[in-house]
This record gives sequence, C-alpha cells and structure tokens, in this order.
Amino acid sequence: AQTVTQSQPEMSVQEAETVTLSCTYDTSESDYYLFWYKQPPSRQMILVIRQEAYKQQNATENRFSVNFQKAAKSFSLKISDSQLGDAAMYFCAYRNIYTGANSKLTFGKGITLSVRP
Amino acid sequence: DGGITQSPKYLFRKEGQNVTLSCEQNLNHDAMYWYRQDPGQGLRLIYYSQIVNDFQKGDIAEGYSVSREKKESFPLTVTSAQKNPTAFYLCASSLDRVANTEAFFGQGTRLTVV
Repeated sequence: AQTVTQSQPEMSVQEAETVTLSCTYDTSESDYYLFWYKQPPSRQMILVIRQEAYKQQNATENRFSVNFQKAAKSFSLKISDSQLGDAAMYFCAYRNIYTGANSKLTFGKGITLSVRP
Repeated sequence: DGGITQSPKYLFRKEGQNVTLSCEQNLNHDAMYWYRQDPGQGLRLIYYSQIVNDFQKGDIAEGYSVSREKKESFPLTVTSAQKNPTAFYLCASSLDRVANTEAFFGQGTRLTVV
C-alpha cells in the first residue's frame, strides 16, 4: 500500500522569504502522480501543483515549485516570496495511475504553514 | 458555475442517531470520494465510487454507509455504529478517466455529536 509522510507538523516563514515543505512517499509502482493541496482557514482544498512521475522536469506554478526526487521518493514544495495569503495547511498527495476501482488517492497528514509579517 | 456542493455546513447529531451528509457535483465527474479530517490525522478515506451503483470501502469505512444512485450525488450516512463521529467531512470528485486529473473538493461539513 502506498503511504505519504509529512513529518513536519508546523513550519513558519517570514513574509517575502522562501520556505520548503517536505514530503516523502512509499510505493512499489514506477508510474504515478503527486500533488500538493492547500487548505486555508476557510477549509476549501485547492490544488497548488501536480507532478507526473514519468517527467524528470520539476513542476512550477508561479511562486510554487517542487523538487521531485524519484529515487529518494521525495516530493518537496518550495514557496518563494512568501505572502500572508500562503498561510494554510498543505497536504501532499499520491495518486496511482489506475482508473476505476483500483484507483487510489492518498494524503499525508499535512503541514501547517504560518507566515510572519 | 460548475462545482461540488456539500450540505449542511454544520450538523449536530445526538448520540444513537443516524445522519446523512449531502454531496452533489455538476462537473460530470465519474469518481467521488468521502474523506474524514481530524486534527493531526490528515485526510482519511471513508468510501469512494467510480461509477453509479458501485462503491468501495476506504481505510475507515466502519460505521459509515454510502449510495451512488446518480452520477451527481454521493451521500454519506454516519450511523450510530460510528463511535467517534465528531469530525470535519470532505467530499471530493475527479474525472478518473484520466489519472492525473486533480480532485475537486467541497467546502466540507462539520459534524458534532451532542
């Protein structure tokens, strides 16, 4: 079974600085998808970024980028130029390649990020 | 606007009662999911469904039941057998025919046992 581990429950960053949120996962599959979701105080889950395991290039979305290390099974999220609105809980998620009954989306326990003004 | 709607936002239940949480989507998504969120536990999968009239148990299905009579709807019933039902419940949907598509979430239902 796949597992997703976010070992740091909380992190803090100064506004305008850069922060990296860690995520590791365990799988025996060679192809899969990884996601970072953001859950602000409103509790609405929002997709931040996604990465396909077959792609060597790290995904980037504006101030958000990932460091995907397939061999190490590591998928960290880097937030550059942190803003107050980035304060939220961030979840790392793993999705296998299957559709139908064998599909599975697994989440980590989340990291609470606070941004200091 | 397309989206996924959960209702009610807050729900109170007396011990021993069954309650049903509503989840409706108009995104034409095949797959729908129910997650439970507790502090420090992340999101744990309760049930999921890829097609109408079919669903599978997730990691913590005991004390819950679901139905999928329509593609758009995936209600969750929290039964009296669920010993610790107070939690935040999230419903999600995804296209599923393409595995790399994201899951879209509703705004959640906060269930409290009184």
